[in-house]
Amino acid sequence: DAGVTQSPTHLIKTRGQQVTLRCSPKSGHDTVSWYQQALGQGPQFIFQYYEEEERQRGNFPDRFSGHQFPNYSSELNVNALLLGDSALYLCASSLGPTHNEQFFGPGTRLTVL
Amino acid sequence: GENVEQHPSTLSVQEGDSAVIKCTYSDSASNYFPWYKQELGKRPQLIIDIRSNVGEKKDQRIAVTLNKTAKHFSLHITETQPEDSAVYFCAATLNQAGTALIFGKGTTLSVSS
Repeated sequence: DAGVTQSPTHLIKTRGQQVTLRCSPKSGHDTVSWYQQALGQGPQFIFQYYEEEERQRGNFPDRFSGHQFPNYSSELNVNALLLGDSALYLCASSLGPTHNEQFFGPGTRLTVL
Repeated sequence: GENVEQHPSTLSVQEGDSAVIKCTYSDSASNYFPWYKQELGKRPQLIIDIRSNVGEKKDQRIAVTLNKTAKHFSLHITETQPEDSAVYFCAATLNQAGTALIFGKGTTLSVSS
């Protein structure tokens, strides 16, 4: 039974560029949430997708956008990258939007130079 | 806005001692409180959780207590072992309607043998 997977593992970009991160949820899960974890901090909620729609959104600018596909996998897109976007981006999946238990993927380490 | 405060930020104990980590939350609508363990370079792993209709939950050496009136919840680890060394995060649901989580800043637990 595959857990949550994310790609790529690491990514280096320069300011102003755009990036796409990918997530495949745990088998049987249909809800995907994205979090940003800066060094030495707890994860911060970006947004959540269910039935291919954004259900909840945290306090992140419109430069952060996402998508969910019919197979429940998800993408996080960040435009006009800033140095402050450097962080570990974590994807978490759950069974339904009202089911609380969330399981995290290994994350994508994004470095913006 | 909604906030979760976590204390202490670092905790050092001897093997076999108990460790207690405390969190407070601001949103009285929060109804789910998970605890995650994150080892260096790895994903956060759910270790125990509690819902708002329960005051205490135990799983072997770990237990969580919740005081909804005071908006406090705590993690208790008994008979600590070196492999318990990690960063521990508490979290609470952002609001009652959804499952998005707001995290504390983490506690670095060091267990020395």
